[in-house]
Amino acid sequence: SQKIEQNSEALNIQEGKTATLTCNYTNYSPAYLQWYRQDPGRGPVFLLLIRENEKEKRKERLKVTFDTTLKQSLFHITASQPADSATYLCALGESYTGNQFYFGTGTSLTVIP
Amino acid sequence: DSGVTQTPKHLITATGQRVTLRCSPRSGDLSVYWYQQSLDQGLQFLIQYYNGEERAKGNILERFSAQQFPDLHSELNLSSLELGDSALYFCASSVGGPSNVETQYFGPGTRLLVL
Repeated sequence: SQKIEQNSEALNIQEGKTATLTCNYTNYSPAYLQWYRQDPGRGPVFLLLIRENEKEKRKERLKVTFDTTLKQSLFHITASQPADSATYLCALGESYTGNQFYFGTGTSLTVIP
Repeated sequence: DSGVTQTPKHLITATGQRVTLRCSPRSGDLSVYWYQQSLDQGLQFLIQYYNGEERAKGNILERFSAQQFPDLHSELNLSSLELGDSALYFCASSVGGPSNVETQYFGPGTRLLVL
């Protein structure tokens, strides 16, 4: 069956450290992968997109890697801040089925001051 | 603010009832998506419309239906409501151009509680 799994446990890290979140998928052939941030009671907000032929993407303190052999994406937040505390969702897109996304269950991140 | 609006913000109703959720996409966006988010299921894709036509269907129940109007706003109709339909319902929009690699912009959601 198809599955998208993110860190099963909530992640707590100290301010200033690097947070690393994982997204593993099974039985998908994603053409691209996106990461979203979701705050409680609000809609997801787009952060980064990485295509299947890209290994790494960066945006300010954010970095995403995509390994189609391992079927995994890693999402890093460097120099983490308490304001980074939120739930982070990965979403897969399969180009041959339109713009439909499949979302992971999310990882709750808390950055401790 | 994503530019996507959803009404109402909260909705409380009883089992067996029918409700309509409304979404206005960002200005210029032709595609509208509906998602259901519950605690145990995560964010589940329901259905996508592009310029008035249904484009993709996900795990949408037969009791649920949607449409996109000529002014591009969309409505999600939920009928014969059950307790398990209680969830956050999100609408998202995207440009809907020829590229399939598009960011979706999410609205603030409608929280539905079925009693």
